[in-house]
Amino acid sequence: DTGVSQNPRHKITKRGQNVTFRCDPISEHNRLYWYRQTLGQGPEFLTYFQNEAQLEKSRLLSDRFSAERPKGSFSTLEIQRTEQGDSAMYLCASSTGTAYGYTFGSGTRLTVV
Amino acid sequence: AQTVTQSQPEMSVQEAETVTLSCTYDTSESDYYLFWYKQPPSRQMILVIRQEAYKQQNATENRFSVNFQKAAKSFSLKISDSQLGDAAMYFCAYRSYTGTASKLTFGTGTRLQVTL
Repeated sequence: DTGVSQNPRHKITKRGQNVTFRCDPISEHNRLYWYRQTLGQGPEFLTYFQNEAQLEKSRLLSDRFSAERPKGSFSTLEIQRTEQGDSAMYLCASSTGTAYGYTFGSGTRLTVV
Repeated sequence: AQTVTQSQPEMSVQEAETVTLSCTYDTSESDYYLFWYKQPPSRQMILVIRQEAYKQQNATENRFSVNFQKAAKSFSLKISDSQLGDAAMYFCAYRSYTGTASKLTFGTGTRLQVTL
């Protein structure tokens, strides 16, 4: 097991384009989380999956954002009609339960130009 | 809603010395978890230490220990015998104990510099 994998590591896109990020969690982890981190700030919660069910979404997750976790395995986060304010590091994490800390991936850095 | 406050944007410590990073939080819950995460320049967050609120004993992990003061809602991290590899951003985080509220709420972080 190589931990939580995120692809791509970096993405530069023009404003208005759609982007999709992928997260592969640790295989035995049933919980998967997406966070967004801007420079100088702590990560902010976006959404949470338990298996394939999306159980919680932040108000930060506007209607331009959508996340899926088909079959409870990998997850994708799509941002439609990107805006400069979407530029951030997008972090994925997984865990086995509430009592435990997360295992984070290395993140996808999005730059919208 | 829970909030986490880290009032020290930056701290500096000499190698082999001890440093304490502060964290306070606000919650109306009685059961919860607290965490310290380290984020080196490579940006991958690493769990340093965790504390269950129902445990009075402070958690320790090798050179890392916490001072958990539940009544004061304080959760500080002590790093002993600091090493150059300890240089990183440190984030304090809160997690609810029950229900589907499984998310972590993070503070804004403390950047730790380790000098020779």
